[in-house]
Amino acid sequence: GENVEQHPSTLSVQEGDSAVIKCTYSDSASNYFPWYKQELGKGPQLIIDIRSNVGEKKDQRIAVTLNKTAKHFSLHITETQPEDSAVYFCAASRGNTGNQFYFGTGTSLTVIP
Amino acid sequence: DGGITQSPKYLFRKEGQNVTLSCEQNLNHDAMYWYRQDPGQGLRLIYYSQIVNDFQKGDIAEGYSVSREKKESFPLTVTSAQKNPTAFYLCASSIVGVGEQFFGPGTRLTVL
Repeated sequence: GENVEQHPSTLSVQEGDSAVIKCTYSDSASNYFPWYKQELGKGPQLIIDIRSNVGEKKDQRIAVTLNKTAKHFSLHITETQPEDSAVYFCAASRGNTGNQFYFGTGTSLTVIP
Repeated sequence: DGGITQSPKYLFRKEGQNVTLSCEQNLNHDAMYWYRQDPGQGLRLIYYSQIVNDFQKGDIAEGYSVSREKKESFPLTVTSAQKNPTAFYLCASSIVGVGEQFFGPGTRLTVL
């Protein structure tokens, strides 16, 4: 069935370095791609999202890129800080509903001071 | 403050008992959702509702039930038919047709 694959499952970087998390999706009708950050014991929080009519979006140290042809999208975090340590989930909308998602399995990011 | 609340944060139950998890939102959202999260897995949709008095099954609805009698509230009952109920349960809400979902803090259910 339709799904989202996310890699890597764990990622460790030195403070100040960049981190990249990649996702692929299979539903060609997906048109909305959010990224969520989840801290231990808490609910996920949206950090950035992108719609299918845009190839790249940036918000300070965070950027997301989307390649619709290849069905790939990626999260880029620059100048990482210890407070960036968390689990990050990508998601893709189911068809064009916008309200239901396929979620990736998560990437546990550790930023080493 | 606007947001979603879930209670309790931790819940322990004996095997064979039904248990109800609470979810309340004051964001005036029409759509609400319940997800289950297990270690190393993504969020899996249990049930969702886009309007009061209506709800649909998600991917893993077996052993669960919901109600939506008020716009603000979407309680989830984990029944004794759920074979492996120990998990972290997340409630979310959104405006129908708009992508972003807002999540509550979650309830960790442990069945002993």
